[in-house]
Amino acid sequence: EDQVTQSPEALRLQEGESSSLNCSYTVSGLRGLFWYRQDPGKGPEFLFTLYSAGEEKEKERLKATLTKKESFLHITAPKPEDSATYLCAVQAAGYGGSQGNLIFGKGTKLSVKP
Amino acid sequence: NAGVMQNPRHLVRRRGQEARLRCSPMKGHSHVYWYRQLPEEGLKFMVYLQKENIIDESGMPKERFSAEFPKEGPSILRIQQVVRGDSAAYFCASSLTPTQNTEAFFGQGTRLTVV
Repeated sequence: EDQVTQSPEALRLQEGESSSLNCSYTVSGLRGLFWYRQDPGKGPEFLFTLYSAGEEKEKERLKATLTKKESFLHITAPKPEDSATYLCAVQAAGYGGSQGNLIFGKGTKLSVKP
Repeated sequence: NAGVMQNPRHLVRRRGQEARLRCSPMKGHSHVYWYRQLPEEGLKFMVYLQKENIIDESGMPKERFSAEFPKEGPSILRIQQVVRGDSAAYFCASSLTPTQNTEAFFGQGTRLTVV
């Protein structure tokens, strides 16, 4: 069964304290791995798409990496405004070519204290 | 993601009533996806629609749930005879094309509470 597991469930950091969030997956053929940010009461906001092992993408203080079994979201020198829930999702082969039908993890709730 | 409009933002229904959730995709997007987020659970795919067609409904419960995306107007997710277990946040997303290189943009969601 295709599955996505995120860890830790919650992470508290001090401002400037770098860390990483983990997303491990088991899927029958990976079409793509996606990272989203979700603020309370809001919809997910797209961050990155990764397609193949070894790929890396960066955006401001965030960097996403991908291996054959997991992805990491590295947060460098976080600020309080980075506080949110970060969601990881995969698109498995066997589904249609759309980005719909994503399999989501439960997310990591990040809190950054000033 | 402000371009995907969902309404209402909050909906309260009594058990046995019908709930209608609306989603207007981003301008130019003709692919719509519905997801459900239960408390303490991840987002779960429900259905993928293009204009006037249901492409993939593998995540839809077999009974009481239906979805449509007419030629004109928003996509509608309809839940008949709601039960307490239907209480959740329902999110709609849209994309420009169905290729894997196209990101999907999410709306703000409709929070359904069944009392």
